[in-house]
Amino acid sequence: DAKTTQPTSMDCAEGRAANLPCNHSTISGNEYVYWYRQIHSQGPQYIIHGLKNNETNEMASLIITEDRKSSTLILPHATLRDTAVYYCIVRSPSSTLTFGKGTMLLVSP
Amino acid sequence: GAVVSQHPSWVICKSGTSVKIECRSLDFQATTMFWYRQFPKQSLMLMATSNEGSKATYEQGVEKDKFLINHASLTLSTLTVTSAHPEDSSFYICSARELQGYEQYFGPGTRLTVT
Repeated sequence: DAKTTQPTSMDCAEGRAANLPCNHSTISGNEYVYWYRQIHSQGPQYIIHGLKNNETNEMASLIITEDRKSSTLILPHATLRDTAVYYCIVRSPSSTLTFGKGTMLLVSP
Repeated sequence: GAVVSQHPSWVICKSGTSVKIECRSLDFQATTMFWYRQFPKQSLMLMATSNEGSKATYEQGVEKDKFLINHASLTLSTLTVTSAHPEDSSFYICSARELQGYEQYFGPGTRLTVT
């Protein structure tokens, strides 16, 4: 599976949009971009995934560049409960999820 | 839907004893289950993959005789940490993939502390 690069940490003010970037320049044609998050001492929580089109659900939006070499996860109105480690994972449909170091997002009042 | 539970949520055991952690898929059948381990301030590391009715496949560096995995049914997998030592203290997380599916669903994790 392709490797991903994420910033180690980011800060966001409560109520503002949180934009989390991810680089995956070696992504292959059949690989999807997945985002999970992990709140302290809990299991990972699925957020969203996409192949090449932008995706939106009740939690977030995923913007994938046209060349698919990078993506951005957008939390439109961050709350304190969104403080977590966010993992960007690139995987083919049948492969096992492998976690990198992720981005620690701290949402402050 | 797609709920995975783990039991216990936390456990403290003495060095040298064994402890069993259960992982259940509550509303789907999981042909494949995964066990991850997470040390403080680190990411999740895959320990092993188990398919129902088959022996587990362990990642490099994970001792199969120390971390016994049983996946005897489509809804239950167990991880037994044998002869536990303080360095086995960690957060253990299971994940399940349903029959003919690609998505992995995660349990809430089990915090193991070995004293």
